[in-house]
Amino acid sequence: DIQMTQSPSFLSASVGDRVTINCKASQNINKYLNWYQQKLGEAPKRLIYNTNNLQTGIPSRFSGSGSGTDYTLTISSLQPEDFATYFCLQHNSFPLTFGSGTKLEIK
Amino acid sequence: QVQLMESGPGLVQPSETLSLTCTVSGFSLTSYNVHWVRQPPGKGLEWMGVMWSGGSTDYNSALKSRLSISRDTSKNQVFLKMNSLQSEDTTTYYCARGRAAPDYWGQGVMVTVSS
Repeated sequence: DIQMTQSPSFLSASVGDRVTINCKASQNINKYLNWYQQKLGEAPKRLIYNTNNLQTGIPSRFSGSGSGTDYTLTISSLQPEDFATYFCLQHNSFPLTFGSGTKLEIK
Repeated sequence: QVQLMESGPGLVQPSETLSLTCTVSGFSLTSYNVHWVRQPPGKGLEWMGVMWSGGSTDYNSALKSRLSISRDTSKNQVFLKMNSLQSEDTTTYYCARGRAAPDYWGQGVMVTVSS
């Protein structure tokens, strides 16, 4: 199974900050990497698919990058509604595997 | 509008079988795959398995011996059954639409395994 190591686990930031969240795969996942946002009590929402493709309706302050084993989600200017948990998912091979999540909190 | 809704018992006895239903709308089960994912407390998300649009299934090998996924396309429903439940199976279970990977998710259903 491909292991996904996500960092940091917790992130404290302020409105307007630029933040980055990282996922490292245990092997090359060929850019088959998605990012999701989850708020308490809500369904997870896909933000980015296949490394850098923005899901329809997602603000352009969200972006993704990476290749090989290393991938990054960037939020260019945090908004109040962005405080949530974020996680990555590799779908290069089965079983699909997830990062452990990053909880983004208001500083 | 794509929607998925999980339903099932909130409480299951240890060693018994969990039965969950994912009812979908806004898309066809013969065009999209449906994944099941769970989130054990304090742990990351775990992919459980998938009902492919063509009707076949794939399972996480860690759960394969206990897990079964089926569907009723006429009712727009996908079913998950998992036997021999233990306390570590207490978690929130999600179904999610996707092709290679989930895009739209249900809100999840919490299942507690306890006597």
